[in-house]
Amino acid sequence: QQQVKQSPQSLIVQKGGISIINCAYENTAFDYFPWYQQFPGKGPALLIAIRPDVSEKKEGRFTISFNKSAKQFSLHIMDSQPGDSATYFCAASMLGNEKLTFGTGTRLTIIP
Amino acid sequence: KAGVTQTPRYLIKTRGQQVTLSCSPISGHRSVSWYQQTPGQGLQFLFEYFSETQRNKGNFPGRFSGRQFSNSRSEMNVSTLELGDSALYLCASSPMTGVSGNTIYFGEGSWLTVV
Repeated sequence: QQQVKQSPQSLIVQKGGISIINCAYENTAFDYFPWYQQFPGKGPALLIAIRPDVSEKKEGRFTISFNKSAKQFSLHIMDSQPGDSATYFCAASMLGNEKLTFGTGTRLTIIP
Repeated sequence: KAGVTQTPRYLIKTRGQQVTLSCSPISGHRSVSWYQQTPGQGLQFLFEYFSETQRNKGNFPGRFSGRQFSNSRSEMNVSTLELGDSALYLCASSPMTGVSGNTIYFGEGSWLTVV
């Protein structure tokens, strides 16, 4: 019940296209859903996060869509750029708990 | 404002040895968490400390331990190293604990290779 399932494992998108990464969770006690971006040799960096009381959150080219009834959430990267090439992790945590449960990661490659 | 600082960045140890990794959180942050990252298991939570007390612990054997000092700096220790302990160990800090939606900041990690 603690798992967060992430897909796809890898993704290749053309420059200017839309990158979409999906995550699903089982534990309904999760109430905070961040996305992290990780470049090689670096630690994960928070990209954007959402709470289950909203269905969508947008920050620049990055949008999280959240479907509480389906227990799914996704990251959309609009106008994808080569600089977006990185590994993306979805995560979830419960109220009052600092522990992040991470998805398995998606290696995104943006090609010119 | 300096980020989360981890030392050492890279180290090689022999099976059976022990290792201590250090973490300095962002100034003013009082919660420190540790994660292990491997290609096979991904990012896994080890433990969290706040005010020198362990608040939460992941599913790792007792060989993995940690502590936090009064200045919020933290160390983690792995005893009797095994080949499978080779990983990137990430430290993360946040301002508080027990607050949902707390932004958690990660350091660049310590790369441990066990030979």
